[in-house]
Amino acid sequence: DADVTQTPRNRITKTGKRIMLECSQTKGHDRMYWYRQDPGLGLRLIYYSFDVKDINKGEISDGYSVSRQAQAKFSLSLESAIPNQTALYFCATSDSRTSSVETQYFGPGTRLLVL
Amino acid sequence: QQPVQSPQAVILREGEDAVINCSSSKALYSVHWYRQKHGEAPIFLMILLKGGEQKGHDKISASFNEKKQQSSLYLTASQLSYSGTYFCGTETKAAGNKLTFGGGTRVLVKP
Repeated sequence: DADVTQTPRNRITKTGKRIMLECSQTKGHDRMYWYRQDPGLGLRLIYYSFDVKDINKGEISDGYSVSRQAQAKFSLSLESAIPNQTALYFCATSDSRTSSVETQYFGPGTRLLVL
Repeated sequence: QQPVQSPQAVILREGEDAVINCSSSKALYSVHWYRQKHGEAPIFLMILLKGGEQKGHDKISASFNEKKQQSSLYLTASQLSYSGTYFCGTETKAAGNKLTFGGGTRVLVKP
């Protein structure tokens, strides 16, 4: 079984709709991240959470919100989807307790198309 | 600020070598390298922490020049499986455990 899972894997929605992307992990990591990937722009950080009660904005948080429901779950919401939010979205996790330098482990991604 | 990767793309024949560079305008604490196959998640390759540190993973190695604020990834005797997009992620002391990724370098290894 995959350590980091994302649902759905693919989603088509219309402009103005609210949608939620979910991420779950079984790695026991305390830190979780949401990134979006656009061609040629690499991975850009949307939000991150260092523990259940901690939520932080990344470089491109406008139009998004998150919820850390439990240590293992981190959801990303698009309050009112717009076409330029069409992208590939990745969730990632890391463990702050084992090393001062953390490796991030990525989920399989959610491909979102906003019409 | 996003680190700058060069080249943006490279085409190799099997067995050839290539170098991918990652430069930052900020002092770096660590550099992380990932490879992503088309449509898949990025996979961790290695972390470089100390200035001048070099690490290797099979025939893929990397160096970190803290003074120059840059890292280089070396693909030696490339194999078909090396094809993919390589990303560097940089961590600065100010940013604290957050990675900023470069735009990626697309590598295609042909038979």
